[in-house]
Amino acid sequence: EDKVVQSPLSLVVHEGDTVTLNCSYEVTNFRSLLWYKQEKKAPTFLFMLTSSGIEKKSGRLSSILDKKELFSILNITATQTGDSAVYLCAVPNFGNEKLTFGTGTRLTIIP
Amino acid sequence: DGGITQSPKYLFRKEGQNVTLSCEQNLNHDAMYWYRQDPGQGLRLIYYSQIVNDFQKGDIAEGYSVSREKKESFPLTVTSAQKNPTAFYLCASSIFSGNTIYFGEGSWLTVV
Repeated sequence: EDKVVQSPLSLVVHEGDTVTLNCSYEVTNFRSLLWYKQEKKAPTFLFMLTSSGIEKKSGRLSSILDKKELFSILNITATQTGDSAVYLCAVPNFGNEKLTFGTGTRLTIIP
Repeated sequence: DGGITQSPKYLFRKEGQNVTLSCEQNLNHDAMYWYRQDPGQGLRLIYYSQIVNDFQKGDIAEGYSVSREKKESFPLTVTSAQKNPTAFYLCASSIFSGNTIYFGEGSWLTVV
């Protein structure tokens, strides 16, 4: 059975700090890994990672994948209160039919 | 505007009643999904559909039913057989299976 584990489960930091969120996975026939940000309602898509070692970047957010060690990290630099959210990591299953999600990391930024 | 519309956003029902949550998308996506989210448990897949008139059970399908008669629509019925139906329900779609999925705004169901 496919498995996605995120850590930490929750994180509280001060505005301006840099944070690193972790996602490890066990999946048959890996294809890609996705990161989502969920504030009050629907998760919004952040990144899709398919290749090892290639960083994807969007503003203060960046993410990288390590297919040898089976994990990905999501970095957020110079955090702002608007970064407070649950960050979800997900991988498609073997048949590429559905996504398995981790439990998420709840990030809280204190002003 | 293109997107995924879920309704209602908030729904209260008495125990023992069936309830249907609507999900409509105008993105021309083939695949649609229903997830349930409980605190501290992430998203769990209820049902998914890769194409019209076809759907498969996800990880927690018991007590739920779906239909996919039109490409745009994937309604979810929460039946009285679902033991703990109070949750946040998210509908999603993707161009095709395994591609990036996009979510609707969600429906909060409370059963009293």
